[in-house]
Amino acid sequence: DVKVTQSSRYLVKRTGEKVFLECVQDMDHENMFWYRQDPGLGLRLIYFSYDVKMKEKGDIPEGYSVSREKKERFSLILESASTNQTSMYLCASLRREKNEQFFGPGTRLTVL
Amino acid sequence: DAKTTQPTSMDCAEGRAANLPCNHSTISGNEYVYWYRQIHSQGPQYIIHGLKNNETNEMASLIITEDRKSSTLILPHATLRDTAVYYCIVRVYSGGGADGLTFGKGTHLIIQP
Repeated sequence: DVKVTQSSRYLVKRTGEKVFLECVQDMDHENMFWYRQDPGLGLRLIYFSYDVKMKEKGDIPEGYSVSREKKERFSLILESASTNQTSMYLCASLRREKNEQFFGPGTRLTVL
Repeated sequence: DAKTTQPTSMDCAEGRAANLPCNHSTISGNEYVYWYRQIHSQGPQYIIHGLKNNETNEMASLIITEDRKSSTLILPHATLRDTAVYYCIVRVYSGGGADGLTFGKGTHLIIQP
């Protein structure tokens, strides 16, 4: 069964901390994505990657960076966490043949 | 991507068919209709997609009108586990698949016992 895993389900950090969110997929997919989901705002794309060491900005990249050193792993980095980055963060990978995205369970990040 | 309109919420009795409508009147010829759902506290899950023909898989059926301006997702025998927010998305099937998804507010489907 296909699987996307995220390092934490819940995370609490303080303002100014550096935060790493990890995502791993076991499907050998080339495309991976990071989203955030907020009530009333829906799903918004932060960054995506279409290959190892390749990255592209999504709709709301400000305050975030990403790393893709290995095909199966895509990391989202908050260089200096702020309270407005409190959100649900979702990682996904893409099966190209059907243009179908597989999502991880999400990380609910709270920045105090 | 074309805009979609869905009802905010719907109820359905357990064991009955749940029919979720979606309007996409500005859909263009190369855009597909995709459906995802999100069960509470989980990541979104792909359900089905189609271009113009009706589609069926193990989860659901997708009925697209002949003019392609609307579609209906059918869960044939709804169970309590089908309670979720259902998102209808219209987008180009890029093949390369680099694009992210944009979800609107979706339909909150509540299956009643």
